[in-house]
Amino acid sequence: SQQGEEDPQALSIQEGENATMNCSYKTSINNLQWYRQNSGRGLVHLILIRSNEREKHSGRLRVTLDTSKKSSSLLITASRAADTASYFCATVTNSGYALNFGKGTSLLVTP
Amino acid sequence: GAVVSQHPSWVICKSGTSVKIECRSLDFQATTMFWYRQFPKQSLMLMATSNEGSKATYEQGVEKDKFLINHASLTLSTLTVTSAHPEDSSFYICSAAGGPSTEAFFGQGTRLTVV
Repeated sequence: SQQGEEDPQALSIQEGENATMNCSYKTSINNLQWYRQNSGRGLVHLILIRSNEREKHSGRLRVTLDTSKKSSSLLITASRAADTASYFCATVTNSGYALNFGKGTSLLVTP
Repeated sequence: GAVVSQHPSWVICKSGTSVKIECRSLDFQATTMFWYRQFPKQSLMLMATSNEGSKATYEQGVEKDKFLINHASLTLSTLTVTSAHPEDSSFYICSAAGGPSTEAFFGQGTRLTVV
């Protein structure tokens, strides 16, 4: 069942600006993952953050996790037009390892 | 990273016919694979968990007799949409993961259009 809820639903920024997307979830998790999807394509894994971690970095990506608030954020710094895509958070609970996806944030980066 | 190959990438079929979608893990053994469905501008909804050598586990509201899943080997899971109808038109994506604390690898997805 769907658990994550992202906001905003859509975000439009200019190249060079930072983009922040937030994700909230409802139940306890084992880990939370962020994925990117270009229109009509499969998903690409970005970052996995475990429930005992608070922050992770990967290149221009920074993910935070606050288990007390059941929320996570994805920050893309110095955005590029090529970052235009939909971004989804997905949670994995301790009872299985199916991904439960949020509704996603549609990011548009204009040159 | 690991590669999951999904085939076909798109298919158009007539109402009432059946369509089979294949999901292969190319460089690792996947005892468990997952099938998702995504409607336009919506998120991915888990349909079922495919377990090698045993019956699939379906999510609530997903008809197991309509969406037949077979996971006969550690590298192949298939989803067959039986007696397809226009409302089954959607984007179907499979994924495989090595375990609960590892990333999942997704196939390229299959866009099914039923006319």
